[in-house]
Amino acid sequence: NAGVTQTPKFQVLKTGQSMTLQCAQDMNHNSMYWYRQDPGMGLRLIYYSASEGTTDKGEVPNGYNVSRLNKREFSLRLESAAPSQTSVYFCASSEAPGSVRQPQHFGDGTRLSIL
Amino acid sequence: AQSVAQPEDQVNVAEGNPLTVKCTYSVSGNPYLFWYVQYPNRGLQFLLKYITGDNLVKGSYGFEAEFNKSQTSFHLKKPSALVSDSALYFCAVRPMEYGNKLVFGAGTILRVKS
Repeated sequence: NAGVTQTPKFQVLKTGQSMTLQCAQDMNHNSMYWYRQDPGMGLRLIYYSASEGTTDKGEVPNGYNVSRLNKREFSLRLESAAPSQTSVYFCASSEAPGSVRQPQHFGDGTRLSIL
Repeated sequence: AQSVAQPEDQVNVAEGNPLTVKCTYSVSGNPYLFWYVQYPNRGLQFLLKYITGDNLVKGSYGFEAEFNKSQTSFHLKKPSALVSDSALYFCAVRPMEYGNKLVFGAGTILRVKS
């Protein structure tokens, strides 16, 4: 059972470089999310997609863009990486927007370092 | 503002003893409440949730949580801790008006010593 798959698992970038983090889910979920995890701060929502074709900003969207490519895939792009974006990035998915009682399912994360 | 507080950065407990990981929240309306666990180099795994009804909810791996509306708390508990329970625990709240979005606490490291 793959669940939520994130690629790559690790990445080191130089300041100013661009990169796309990939996420795919095989649970036929409608909603997908991108979070970043920083020590002592829990998880903070970057962007989310309530359903295919829609995206919305979360708590910390600056410096990021997203694309909901289809129902399965939701990518996160850093156009010009900055050291402040060094973090662990998690993708998650959940059932339809109306199913707010259902938990989110998480991938194993992408550990990103910006030098 | 919607917020979740986990007042303890770390909880230490001996194997076989009961454990409690604390969580309080501040939201408008009646929220949905969740606990997640994270093992090293892994994503978050769902443990349990409170939606409505009985204030004591049971979840995976023998964990349970008690919802207290008057104290706006949702503490995670287990009667007898295992060394394998050592991990990072997150409390999360989904305010009614937030749709599917979650607000997470900062996390509590649980260390169970044999």
